[in-house]
Order: sequence, then structure tokens, then C-alpha cells
Amino acid sequence: DAKTTQPNSMESNEEEPVHLPCNHSTISGTDYIHWYRQLPSQGPEYVIHGLTSNVNNRMASLAIAEDRKSSTLILHRATLRDAAVYYCILRGSGGSNYKLTFGKGTLLTVNP
Amino acid sequence: DAGVIQSPRHEVTEMGQEVTLRCKPISGHNSLFWYRQTMMRGLELLIYFNNNVPIDDSGMPEDRFSAKMPNASFSTLKIQPSEPRDSAVYFCASSLAGAGGTGELFFGEGSRLTVL
Repeated sequence: DAKTTQPNSMESNEEEPVHLPCNHSTISGTDYIHWYRQLPSQGPEYVIHGLTSNVNNRMASLAIAEDRKSSTLILHRATLRDAAVYYCILRGSGGSNYKLTFGKGTLLTVNP
Repeated sequence: DAGVIQSPRHEVTEMGQEVTLRCKPISGHNSLFWYRQTMMRGLELLIYFNNNVPIDDSGMPEDRFSAKMPNASFSTLKIQPSEPRDSAVYFCASSLAGAGGTGELFFGEGSRLTVL
């Protein structure tokens, strides 16, 4: 499985933007970049995904480097509810590559 | 939609007993995943079904673990016999497999298993 590297933890203040980095230097041309997050005592939830172009949705933005070897999840205004573990995952597009393999993720702490 | 439904939410059992965890995926989804989460090992994929057929079971720890999906609306994960090291939160997730890596996973609330 293609691997990703994320910082173990990050801290932010409420109402400020948060940039969560992810390195994936061994990404293949068909791998999608997925982000999930896990709030305390809950199952993971989908945040956003992309292939080459930057993506925006109501939860966050995903900025993908031109060489695709890194990406950044952007939370525009952090709230206390955004405190969670954020996972950056590479996902193939078919067969057994369709599975999601979670790493350690980044624990985001949001200060009031 | 009710989302992915897992039962039981909590299970406490003694070593050697059989444990059966159940999952009802979201209606219309064609892929189902079983994960296990512990502090030491994080989230591990145990098995993945597509259209009720196991596609990848390389994460199933050993013969004590088995998973079935008899139809599109039900799956079970069975541990027999259970051991204390099986204590974990077990998550079921479902998705509608889309073209090109799409198809977000929807996770259930998990089943917390404690084996004494």
C-alpha cells in the first residue's frame, strides 16, 4: 500500500484556519487522496477527497501539490467540534485497491 | 436513512466464548468493510466485501475470526474462541463503490468488545 506521512499532532485556536499537511511521495498516478476524521468515541467520517485539482466542500478544502507528492487539508475556521484525529489516505480505484488503509493520523487540538 | 447499524454496542465476555458482531449497511451500498481499532494498532482493515463477496480478507488475524455477508443488508463478524487480545472497538462501514476511487465510507458507531 502507498504510504502517507502526517505529523502526530497539531494545535489550533478556535476561529482560526488550520492547515493539516500530508506527504505521499510514493503516490501512483491512479491513487486518490482521501481525508477522514474521527471524533472522540465515534467512527471515522469522510471529509474530502481529490485526484489532481484542489477541491472544496462544506467541511474543508484540499490543496494538492502539482507533483501530487503532498497535500494539505484546510479547515477555514476551526471550531471546538473539529478536534479529532485526521487521516490522510491514498486509495486505488478498483478491486482490492479500493480499500482504505488508515495510518496513525494527526491529532488536532482546538483551543478555545 | 438510519446509517450503518451495528450491534451490540458493547459486549463483555469471557475468554473462550463465541462472539458475534452484526452490521446492517446503508441500503443500496454494495461494499462493506470490517475494521478493528485498538490503542496499540490503530484502525486495521479486517475484511472487505463487494456485492456480498469477500474481496480482501488479508487483515483477518487468524482462523478464530470469520466474516459472512449472506445478503446485501446484513453481515456478521464472528470470533470463536475469543481471547483477551481481541478486546477492541470493531467498526463496520459501507459504501457505494463508484468509478475512480470515489464512494465515501460511512461508518457505524462501533461495537466495543471486552474479553476477560
